[in-house]
Amino acid sequence: NAGVTQTPKFRILKIGQSMTLQCTQDMNHNYMYWYRQDPGMGLKLIYYSVGAGITDKGEVPNGYNVSRSTTEDFPLRLELAAPSQTSVYFCASSPAEGGVLNEQFFGPGTRLTVL
Amino acid sequence: AQKITQTQPGMFVQEKEAVTLDCTYDTSDPSYGLFWYKQPSSGEMIFLIYQGSYDQQNATEGRYSLNFQKARKSANLVISASQLGDSAMYFCAMRELQGGSEKLVFGKGTKLTVNP
Repeated sequence: NAGVTQTPKFRILKIGQSMTLQCTQDMNHNYMYWYRQDPGMGLKLIYYSVGAGITDKGEVPNGYNVSRSTTEDFPLRLELAAPSQTSVYFCASSPAEGGVLNEQFFGPGTRLTVL
Repeated sequence: AQKITQTQPGMFVQEKEAVTLDCTYDTSDPSYGLFWYKQPSSGEMIFLIYQGSYDQQNATEGRYSLNFQKARKSANLVISASQLGDSAMYFCAMRELQGGSEKLVFGKGTKLTVNP
């Protein structure tokens, strides 16, 4: 049981490049989330999904896209990287049984630098 | 407006002493939950403790306890018998219902340093 895994751990992008951050969970959780954490700050929600085929915007969705074709995977796509997207990205999942959200399980994070 | 406020950017405590990390929240939803997460320098987010708005008793998990004062809208984390390994960032978060789905809103965090 690996929990929530994220790849890559680190990445440096040039302005305008694109990339996909991968997130996979093996706990059969319905809810999945993408957060970004800027230096010295808390986490801000980018996108979330309540199940396969369903995604919705969080607090800071601009510049990102997501898809959820399976329960396990929730990739985050950056289309035109900008320096403002330099951050640490966390993926998380939650069982959200019965609509009640309890503990979120976090991945180890991806540190992204855009130069 | 800030939904989760952590007023202490940094806190210092002596090893083996207790420390309280403050968290106040703002919500009009009668059903909500409060979480504390620890983030060590390695970067991972570690769940510590959870308190539901309808829970009658304050949550406890080992050396962690949550001082939940609903009328004051505060959910302070108390760490007893501090250890050097407790040095980390601590984040308070609130579960709330937005757009028909439940999400977590995080505070800015408190950096705890445990001195030997």
